[in-house]
Amino acid sequence: QVQLQQSGPGLVKPSQTLSLTCAISGDSVSSNSAAWNWIRQSPLRGLEWLGRTYYKSQWYNDYAVSVKSRLTISPDTSKNQFSLHLNSVTPEDTAVYYCARVDVNYHLAGDVFDIWGQGTMVTVSS
Amino acid sequence: DIQMTQSPSSVSASVGDRVTITCRASQNINTWLAWYQQKPGKAPKFLIYAASTLQSGVPSRFSGSGSGTDFTLTISSLQPEDFATYYCQQTNNFPLTFGGGTKVEIK
Repeated sequence: QVQLQQSGPGLVKPSQTLSLTCAISGDSVSSNSAAWNWIRQSPLRGLEWLGRTYYKSQWYNDYAVSVKSRLTISPDTSKNQFSLHLNSVTPEDTAVYYCARVDVNYHLAGDVFDIWGQGTMVTVSS
Repeated sequence: DIQMTQSPSSVSASVGDRVTITCRASQNINTWLAWYQQKPGKAPKFLIYAASTLQSGVPSRFSGSGSGTDFTLTISSLQPEDFATYYCQQTNNFPLTFGGGTKVEIK
């Protein structure tokens, strides 16, 4: 079955870059029927979709306006994984970060997150 | 952005009770709605899509209904493993947005 395994540091200093990786097993980051997303969860903001990367003859990215200027999501086809890089972090970026798959094969479902990583608690603090 | 508002924010119930959770969208989303269940320390689990279609493997005591702006998630007979927080999510407009959650607690 499809699994997502997250990795990355749990502590980042203010103004630095938060980087997380999501390794995919049982599916391909280059799949034409999936999109690969990052979502975060905090007491302040609840569940917040951050962005996605997906392949349809070429690579595409979409980002939430709230983080668009600071966020890059990138695929790594050689390792079948995708990454999040959020720069210039502040304590407000403290949250649990999840990677998640959208599978377009759910009929009339839209973008539903059917597979999730285990989550990474990231604290922004000096 | 489409705002998703859930009510109540928490509900206390007993095993065997019928529980209904409401989700309201700030604009018409037809049936582009999903429901998730989250237990402490775990990632959300996908339960329902297209407002009323159960994901494979989800028990039939869960059901979803609604269209437009008003939706409900019903658990017909609450089981011990159902005590969790439930979230709705609109699935068709970017940015994708979630409700604030409804915590189902043991009475």
